[in-house]
Amino acid sequence: DGGITQSPKYLFRKEGQNVTLSCEQNLNHDAMYWYRQDPGQGLRLIYYSQIVNDFQKGDIAEGYSVSREKKESFPLTVTSAQKNPTAFYLCASSISWHLQETQYFGPGTRLLVL
Amino acid sequence: QKEVEQNSGPLSVPEGAIASLNCTYSDRGSQSFFWYRQYSGKSPELIMSIYSNGDKEDGRFTAQLNKASQYVSLLIRDSQPSDSATYLCASYNYGQNFVFGPGTRLSVLP
Repeated sequence: DGGITQSPKYLFRKEGQNVTLSCEQNLNHDAMYWYRQDPGQGLRLIYYSQIVNDFQKGDIAEGYSVSREKKESFPLTVTSAQKNPTAFYLCASSISWHLQETQYFGPGTRLLVL
Repeated sequence: QKEVEQNSGPLSVPEGAIASLNCTYSDRGSQSFFWYRQYSGKSPELIMSIYSNGDKEDGRFTAQLNKASQYVSLLIRDSQPSDSATYLCASYNYGQNFVFGPGTRLSVLP
């Protein structure tokens, strides 16, 4: 079954704690993305990676970090520096550098602060 | 700042009617356009992509693109209550990132 998986579905963070959201894809896509969605809002780009071992900041990277050690994996860490982390986090992937590139989304992780 | 704009709605239509969703984009270099459907609490699901001026039909959905006016629309024929969702419009310019609109909430009334 090809697709994008995200875990966990729900994640609770305590004050001062770093938490890591998992994103895995078996679509053989080069590019992967992390978005944040707040209630009633659109998608805001946190980080993206076009190729293994390389990633770039998006529009709201402060308080987040990522790694891209494997093509199929792009974990996102929400650090204690992110003061308002409660949101719905979406991972996406695409073929990359393709004229008709299309993004596909994982099921999302909902992060709540205790 | 490259932007995609949508009316946030809610757009309410009766069951069986045509729902018309509109979107404008600021980046004249954008080549690809997408409509995603997002049910409450779920992730976006791709329903249509369009790359050339004109209409593209897929079942009950028709996407329309007018690059001169920088305008994209989605028509949903024979709207069903199951079509009630938020519809996100997105644009893509080769070598750059996708730009998403804030979404239009559609409510189909039985």
